[in-house]
Amino acid sequence: EPEVTQTPSHQVTQMGQEVILRCVPISNHLYFYWYRQILGQKVEFLVSFYNNEISEKSEIFDDQFSVERPDGSNFTLKIRSTKLEDSAMYFCADRPEWGINSPLHFGNGTRLTVT
Amino acid sequence: AQKITQTQPGMFVQEKEAVTLDCTYDTSDPSYGLFWYKQPSSGEMIFLIYQGSYDQQNATEGRYSLNFQKARKSANLVISASQLGDSAMYFCAMREENNAGNMLTFGGGTRLMVKP
Repeated sequence: EPEVTQTPSHQVTQMGQEVILRCVPISNHLYFYWYRQILGQKVEFLVSFYNNEISEKSEIFDDQFSVERPDGSNFTLKIRSTKLEDSAMYFCADRPEWGINSPLHFGNGTRLTVT
Repeated sequence: AQKITQTQPGMFVQEKEAVTLDCTYDTSDPSYGLFWYKQPSSGEMIFLIYQGSYDQQNATEGRYSLNFQKARKSANLVISASQLGDSAMYFCAMREENNAGNMLTFGGGTRLMVKP
């Protein structure tokens, strides 16, 4: 069964550094999302992306964050200048179609640790 | 206001017994979908079951079923014949049709522990 693939599985970075989290969505899926989960807490929406543009973003997704799909396969989340509070698990998710009933397919996540 | 509320931070259940995990939601959108996900200790998010707001019957998928009470705005997950492998975090989530990004909004989760 096709999977959403995320790399790396774990990234450690120093405060103030830039990080890029990578995701390869399932082929022919059209809608892409980033979520984050601070340890032991709820899964929080960051951004949704369709047709090479952001369709919605949350308050968390400030100017430090950006997303792009540079080559039609990878879907990346960039954090320009990391803060300690950015430490979390970051999930990429996708789905094939619009509509109420299509579930999100999640990758296994990237655990980001900012020191 | 919270859109999805899971009031049970932790639950214990004896192996082979049934357990109900609570979820209440808040929306003014007449068309919405409700989802349950399982997150084992390994961290991945696994889709379990879906219920649409217009569905007449409660959803079922194997040992999982949804007790959907629309007037009460609740969508409780029932796991029958619990297994040790069911120990995990369980998240309820909602998608509202009129939401521009069509994303899922998650509740705070319930940690289920199955006792042998």
